[in-house]
Amino acid sequence: GENVEQHPSTLSVQEGDSAVIKCTYSDSASNYFPWYKQELGKGPQLIIDIRSNVGEKKDQRIAVTLNKTAKHFSLHITETQPEDSAVYFCAVTMNSGYSTLTFGKGTMLLVSP
Amino acid sequence: NAGVMQNPRHLVRRRGQEARLRCSPMKGHSHVYWYRQLPEEGLKFMVYLQKENIIDESGMPKERFSAEFPKEGPSILRIQQVVRGDSAAYFCASSLGNEQFFGPGTRLTVL
Repeated sequence: GENVEQHPSTLSVQEGDSAVIKCTYSDSASNYFPWYKQELGKGPQLIIDIRSNVGEKKDQRIAVTLNKTAKHFSLHITETQPEDSAVYFCAVTMNSGYSTLTFGKGTMLLVSP
Repeated sequence: NAGVMQNPRHLVRRRGQEARLRCSPMKGHSHVYWYRQLPEEGLKFMVYLQKENIIDESGMPKERFSAEFPKEGPSILRIQQVVRGDSAAYFCASSLGNEQFFGPGTRLTVL
């Protein structure tokens, strides 16, 4: 089955700095890569996603890059703010008619004012 | 448009009791997924259902766990004879296609 590795497990930055979280996956057939943000006591919230026919996608301060050859993708957050503090999960799926997600173990991001 | 709804938000059971977790998908969504999250872990897939059908239950424990998504009403995840190891957050998600939208979860504590 699919295996997703996520690094780092924790990340502390100062407000205004950039943060980068990386994930690698094992199944080359995977073609949909979402990122979720989970705040304490809440469910995961989809923040950005990318499909395998695209190398980069940007939405304001958030961007995701995908390298299908190397089987890794990254989340980039610029100009971080304290409200960005949360646990971030990457996930992977194959478009096989439905989309069971395989998640990484998460990165706890702490943005200090 | 209301999001995915789950209830109860918190559930406490003693060992050997039954736990029933409910999930109402987003309006118009016919695909429901259940995931389990252990402390400081990522989410693990359990089961995928469409109305009246279990499509993929490869992540469900073989015993004590069952799920349904009836024609009318919410999807139900049922855990019989709970044990302490069942303590976790259980999330459901609904979708039309690839994008999955998660509910707030049910936090199950087994005493």
